[in-house]
Amino acid sequence: GAGVSQSPSNKVTEKGKDVELRCDPISGHTALYWYRQSLGQGLEFLIYFQGNSAPDKSGLPSDRFSAERTGGSVSTLTIQRTQQEDSAVYLCATSTAAYSYGYTFGSGTRLTVV
Amino acid sequence: QQQVKQSPQSLIVQKGGISIINCAYENTAFDYFPWYQQFPGKGPALLIAIRPDVSEKKEGRFTISFNKSAKQFSLHIMDSQPGDSATYFCAARWRTGTASKLTFGTGTRLQVTL
Repeated sequence: GAGVSQSPSNKVTEKGKDVELRCDPISGHTALYWYRQSLGQGLEFLIYFQGNSAPDKSGLPSDRFSAERTGGSVSTLTIQRTQQEDSAVYLCATSTAAYSYGYTFGSGTRLTVV
Repeated sequence: QQQVKQSPQSLIVQKGGISIINCAYENTAFDYFPWYQQFPGKGPALLIAIRPDVSEKKEGRFTISFNKSAKQFSLHIMDSQPGDSATYFCAARWRTGTASKLTFGTGTRLQVTL
């Protein structure tokens, strides 16, 4: 597709449930990032995939968060046993190369934990 | 030390005025400083970027001013228009081994009034 596609666009879940968020990157973009955007908190880095290298998981806030990228393409971010503080917009971004500063962001998934 | 501090949190400017958003950093390892623009319901989009060896970069009505010694940089929007109303994020790139990441400021919500 022409851009980064994220699904679902909105997700409401009950506290304690698991959720999966999906990111379809731009074809050929080797680098893929997940960020979390909370009100007044800016964009918080979560995890980074680059080609076949081991992912950089240094931003994941707890072991309830995990992500994978299959075949260097689609990525899923999984949050287990969701908590109310997990409510935020989860943004996926991709770029053409490891050292790019120009990310293309998707429109995000707004997660609400009730 | 990977933080980028951004101010103000919100800004109201009259149409035709100059909007100024400021950012500061501590880590001298940052090697690129992009600005992103985000409209409601959309992901951030790259607006303009500058290297630390350049003091100013201009693209249309948007100018980045960079003060390396003070570790500060700012975005100036000349002749601000209602269509510029959005949230603006400054960012800084740092390279880790074979990869790089962007650290974002907390964002400035700009409203341009008629």
